[in-house]
Amino acid sequence: AQSVTQLGSHVSVSEGALVLLRCNYSSSVPPYLFWYVQYPNQGLQLLLKYTTGATLVKGINGFEAEFKKSETSFHLTKPSAHMSDAAEYFCAVSAQSSGDKLTFGTGTRLAVRP
Amino acid sequence: EAQVTQNPRYLITVTGKKLTVTCSQNMNHEYMSWYRQDPGLGLRQIYYSMNVEVTDKGDVPEGYKVSRKEKRNFPLILESPSPNQTSLYFCASSPLGNTYEQYFGPGTRLTVT
Repeated sequence: AQSVTQLGSHVSVSEGALVLLRCNYSSSVPPYLFWYVQYPNQGLQLLLKYTTGATLVKGINGFEAEFKKSETSFHLTKPSAHMSDAAEYFCAVSAQSSGDKLTFGTGTRLAVRP
Repeated sequence: EAQVTQNPRYLITVTGKKLTVTCSQNMNHEYMSWYRQDPGLGLRQIYYSMNVEVTDKGDVPEGYKVSRKEKRNFPLILESPSPNQTSLYFCASSPLGNTYEQYFGPGTRLTVT
């Protein structure tokens, strides 16, 4: 079974500041890891994913995340926050097998202050 | 345009009145799924379908039904809605070999009074 824990249900940063959203996972098998973003009144969209290979993955809108097996973490970062980054972010995990479901974290709402 | 559509987007109903939320995708995806989103709980899977006529329970199936008679459609049925089913519902789809990379619909906000 897989699970993810997102630390901090709300994060607030100033425009231009570093964004760091934390995600730790638990998985009995090698995981696939994902970050999804939900803008206000919209469905979720995939921001980035780790499946195999390079542990630092880059996504859309300048976001990146690093898979750290020793720390069971997959934190999301962006060097400089923009007002348009305000949204809810979900970390998710899946087993490395076709047809396995996504298990989502409880979400982190990011606010960006002018 | 590749998309997942849901209808209605907003629905207010009363306890016990049967309702159906439709979901349709135009990407020829085999896999479709329903989630509910509640504050502090994230997204929880209700039901999913690997292909036509193949459906299975997710984590929170009680009080819901689904059917998959056509590849593109995956309606969610609440036979007798109750207030604890007030939630934001999302439909999603993906290719069968890539079920972790799902395309989500815009959501249906359901209120049961």
